Amino acid sequence: SAVISQKPSRDICQRGTSLTIQCQVDSQVTMMFWYRQQPGQSLTLIATANQGSEATYESGFVIDKFPISRPNLTFSTLTVSNMSPEDSSIYLCSVRAGGNEQFFGPGTRLTVL
Amino acid sequence: KQEVTQIPAALSVPEGENLVLNCSFTDSAIYNLQWFRQDPGKGLTSLLLIQSSQREQTSGRLNASLDKSSGRSTLYIAASQPGDSATYLCAVRGTGTASKLTFGTGTRLQVTL
Repeated sequence: SAVISQKPSRDICQRGTSLTIQCQVDSQVTMMFWYRQQPGQSLTLIATANQGSEATYESGFVIDKFPISRPNLTFSTLTVSNMSPEDSSIYLCSVRAGGNEQFFGPGTRLTVL
Repeated sequence: KQEVTQIPAALSVPEGENLVLNCSFTDSAIYNLQWFRQDPGKGLTSLLLIQSSQREQTSGRLNASLDKSSGRSTLYIAASQPGDSATYLCAVRGTGTASKLTFGTGTRLQVTL
């Protein structure tokens, strides 16, 4: 299994600002994933982050809005840029361990005013 | 494009009852299927992982089955308890090591005293 921590756990931000979310894993993993869960909705994949290469973004998500860093095999950051109230969501970091099972962090609850 | 549906969307049962949650998916070419639990405002906890070659997996009071050919999975919860109250999500992973999880819409379960 994998134990994942995220910082911050929650934040309230002003429109137009940016927030960087950190994700730390207790073991080295090749692939890290960032998801968004809007209120009352299921999870949507934002991007896949591999160490040493550019993140791969899903349709509807762009690097300028959600820049991702992956400096090593246990850490990643997701920045939500130029925020608007529509960005209010839970942002979740996830990893695949043992090649198969996927694990999730506790999430970052973001509210944009 | 894979689509995952969960029925019912919400369920309320008295404590002690056995219950079944359903998950269906449109593309049977899956690598595995995973069931998660999500408490309000929190991250996801992995419950069971079923590989495409398996028919079922068990963990404690939970049993998940998979019928790949018909595109269905069920999560059986025995002797439900109030602590089981949460949203249950199923997610399927397509074939190929780089494929992503596609999530269902979730079933919100309430177990009453």
